[in-house]
Amino acid sequence: LAKTTQPISMDSYEGQEVNITCSHNNIATNDYITWYQQFPSQGPRFIIQGYKTKVTNEVASLFIPADRKSSTLSLPRVSLSDTAVYYCLVGGNNNDMRFGAGTRLTVKP
Amino acid sequence: DAGITQSPRHKVTETGTPVTLRCHQTENHRYMYWYRQDPGHGLRLIHYSYGVKDTDKGEVSDGYSVSRSKTEDFLLTLESATSSQTSVYFCAISETGGNTDTQYFGPGTRLTVL
Repeated sequence: LAKTTQPISMDSYEGQEVNITCSHNNIATNDYITWYQQFPSQGPRFIIQGYKTKVTNEVASLFIPADRKSSTLSLPRVSLSDTAVYYCLVGGNNNDMRFGAGTRLTVKP
Repeated sequence: DAGITQSPRHKVTETGTPVTLRCHQTENHRYMYWYRQDPGHGLRLIHYSYGVKDTDKGEVSDGYSVSRSKTEDFLLTLESATSSQTSVYFCAISETGGNTDTQYFGPGTRLTVL
């Protein structure tokens, strides 16, 4: 199982771009990289998923270098409502994925 | 939001008491999962199911059992609750369980074992 390492916490201010990097040195060939967001007292929610290069949706972008040993979640122009815990998952199937402790993002006014 | 409900939402029980948590889905998804969430540990997989009567262990399965007699229901049972099982329990579902499949989570059950 691929182990992931991400910062425990990050602070930002409204309107800034936030980049959260996740390391996954032993990612397997068929593993995808998935990010989830969790607000207090709620279950996690899917944000974005990618295999290589760059993926963008209406919420975030995901940058994956060629060696795939890391990935960066980019949140453009964050607001107070983006304060949450962000999890980076790597795995072949859902039952193989490990959530870890995540990155607690605090957005300040 | 995916149609996932968990019951009860909150429960306080005593050590040694059996406890059953229920997860109900209306999405007809094949895969269902039970996680627990504790401070500093993120979410850890307890058990999962890949079909009716088909279940398997996850990362932290000791002290827990599960059953799935219908597609829509996945039950988590603590045969004899212990204080170390005080946690927030989340149920999740996914359509195929594959590497590109999204998991949808329920609202959670907060369990306190005194």
